[in-house]
Amino acid sequence: AQKVTQAQTEISVVEKEDVTLDCVYETRDTTYYLFWYKQPPSGELVFLIRRNSFDEQNEISGRYSWNFQKSTSSFNFTITASQVVDSAVYFCALSGLTSGGYQKVTFGIGTKLQVIP
Amino acid sequence: DGGITQSPKYLFRKEGQNVTLSCEQNLNHDAMYWYRQDPGQGLRLIYYSQIVNDFQKGDIAEGYSVSREKKESFPLTVTSAQKNPTAFYLCASSMASNYGYTFGSGTRLTVV
Repeated sequence: AQKVTQAQTEISVVEKEDVTLDCVYETRDTTYYLFWYKQPPSGELVFLIRRNSFDEQNEISGRYSWNFQKSTSSFNFTITASQVVDSAVYFCALSGLTSGGYQKVTFGIGTKLQVIP
Repeated sequence: DGGITQSPKYLFRKEGQNVTLSCEQNLNHDAMYWYRQDPGQGLRLIYYSQIVNDFQKGDIAEGYSVSREKKESFPLTVTSAQKNPTAFYLCASSMASNYGYTFGSGTRLTVV
């Protein structure tokens, strides 16, 4: 069975601070994919990034960066110089094979980030 | 613009009634999904469909039913057998589950 743990349920930071959202996963698959999604107050989840299990290079996209470490089964997400618009719930997710041969995505419970002006 | 449309945005159901949530996509995606979101529990998979006329139960399928008669449409029926249906329901689609999902804006269902 696969599992995604987001231990931080809520985080508050002051605008312009850096913040890291943690994600730890469990899977028996050798090939899998990891994702991060953002859910603003409007409710719709927005795809941020996908990473496959063979690519451990860190990625940076503007103020966002992701640190994938297979050795610790972690896929952490850092926002640099946070802004009020970053306030949202962030979900980490893992895609792997089910026993029936279908791909299945498991989501963490989410981390609610509040950026205070 | 391509995307997923969920309707209605808010839905109220009396106990004992069945209700159907609509999900339509124009992204030409093969796979579609229904998730339920409750506070503190993240997203839980109800049903998913990889191709037309085929669908599989997710982790919490009891009390729900779906159909996939067209590629574009994946409606979810919440039946009276679902004992605690009040939740936020999200529909998603993807080229395949290894790709990122595109989500709809959700339907908030409340039992009155």
